[in-house]
Amino acid sequence: GQNIDQPTEMTATEGAIVQINCTYQTSGFNGLFWYQQHAGEAPTFLSYNVLDGLEEKGRFSSFLSRSKGYSYLLLKELQMKDSASYLCAVRGGGFKTIFGAGTRLFVKA
Amino acid sequence: GAVVSQHPSWVICKSGTSVKIECRSLDFQATTMFWYRQFPKQSLMLMATSNEGSKATYEQGVEKDKFLINHASLTLSTLTVTSAHPEDSSFYICSAPATGVNTEAFFGQGTRLTVV
Repeated sequence: GQNIDQPTEMTATEGAIVQINCTYQTSGFNGLFWYQQHAGEAPTFLSYNVLDGLEEKGRFSSFLSRSKGYSYLLLKELQMKDSASYLCAVRGGGFKTIFGAGTRLFVKA
Repeated sequence: GAVVSQHPSWVICKSGTSVKIECRSLDFQATTMFWYRQFPKQSLMLMATSNEGSKATYEQGVEKDKFLINHASLTLSTLTVTSAHPEDSSFYICSAPATGVNTEAFFGQGTRLTVV
């Protein structure tokens, strides 16, 4: 079966760093995605990892360990606008992408 | 970048009627599109995989006769919610992978369906 776990909610302070973890068990692996979703809107792409290691893109970084079935999204210099849900998603065979339940991040002043 | 356009963005319909949602890939061809449903404060649940020129593949628990999917061309997939009921009220989103394996999936804007 397929299973993706991530924390339900996290709270962090403006300007700080926050790490959102994701563990997964899937049949087949063709990449792991992180998406940001504000309430009532479609998800927007943040990052894609298919090889082990860290991918850095501005204030956002994403890490993958395929052997451990583990990824994290690191957000630096948090801003109030970063308050959103962050979805971990794994693509298995046939481009089919399964999403985790999402982590709601609250950024406080 | 690649764009997926979904229409309508919101719709209100009466119980028992049918609603069609369109998903178009605007600058690329999509042989495969995915339809998701999202209830409030929940994540995206994959409903079905839409395949151009063939039958859609539905996830377990999704009624194929209720959620009709048609993928008649390389740029258009439609989802029809038949005989809608209030419990079908949800946010429906389509997505399409761009060409190549190592690429993200692009999402439509989503459709907020309210059945009254």
